[in-house]
Amino acid sequence: QKEVEQNSGPLSVPEGAIASLNCTYSDRGSQSFFWYRQYSGKSPELIMSIYSNGDKEDGRFTAQLNKASQYVSLLIRDSQPSDSATYLCAVRRSNDYKLSFGAGTTVTVRA
Amino acid sequence: GAVVSQHPSRVICKSGTSVKIECRSLDFQATTMFWYRQFPKQSLMLMATSNEGSKATYEQGVEKDKFLINHASLTLSTLTVTSAHPEDSSFYICSARAGQASYGYTFGSGTRLTVV
Repeated sequence: QKEVEQNSGPLSVPEGAIASLNCTYSDRGSQSFFWYRQYSGKSPELIMSIYSNGDKEDGRFTAQLNKASQYVSLLIRDSQPSDSATYLCAVRRSNDYKLSFGAGTTVTVRA
Repeated sequence: GAVVSQHPSRVICKSGTSVKIECRSLDFQATTMFWYRQFPKQSLMLMATSNEGSKATYEQGVEKDKFLINHASLTLSTLTVTSAHPEDSSFYICSARAGQASYGYTFGSGTRLTVV
């Protein structure tokens, strides 16, 4: 079982729609979760971090965490062409400070 | 905000030579530095973790004698790819973690290494 799994892409959404990204993790003791956006040829940039169960909103982005289900998601509202990128889910391991990354989901927003 | 400067952004080297990549934390002290490698269409793979003043710890399958990591100060870590081969061509990214939780993990801009 992979440490972090993301829903397979690519995901194509029309401009203005909601893009929904899912991620599950295997380490039940994990406490810190991150969503990164990576444009082609660039390094990842942090979009959201979430540590507590529930929703966390930042602009058009909402992260949702359910530790009991070991599930974290990211919603992108009012998707824009500039949101087209690969989104990486990262989970901090419970026994050290290392991050485990999912394979990423590529999102394409159609104008 | 926390900034990590990574250089060079691109490097082309001949097979058999060595290449050094630098990562500097500009406005915070990086307690821990992480080095990742990313092949095309794949996710980030952790290569090694380094703490200032101590030896790096390498992930399983990563050759420590080939990928030399030095973390001599709280603001500088270097990765040297020794005796590079074409299969070492990849995107190398560093990430720094400060002791303060508010900084989280900050990534450098990455280095595209091409070995010819």
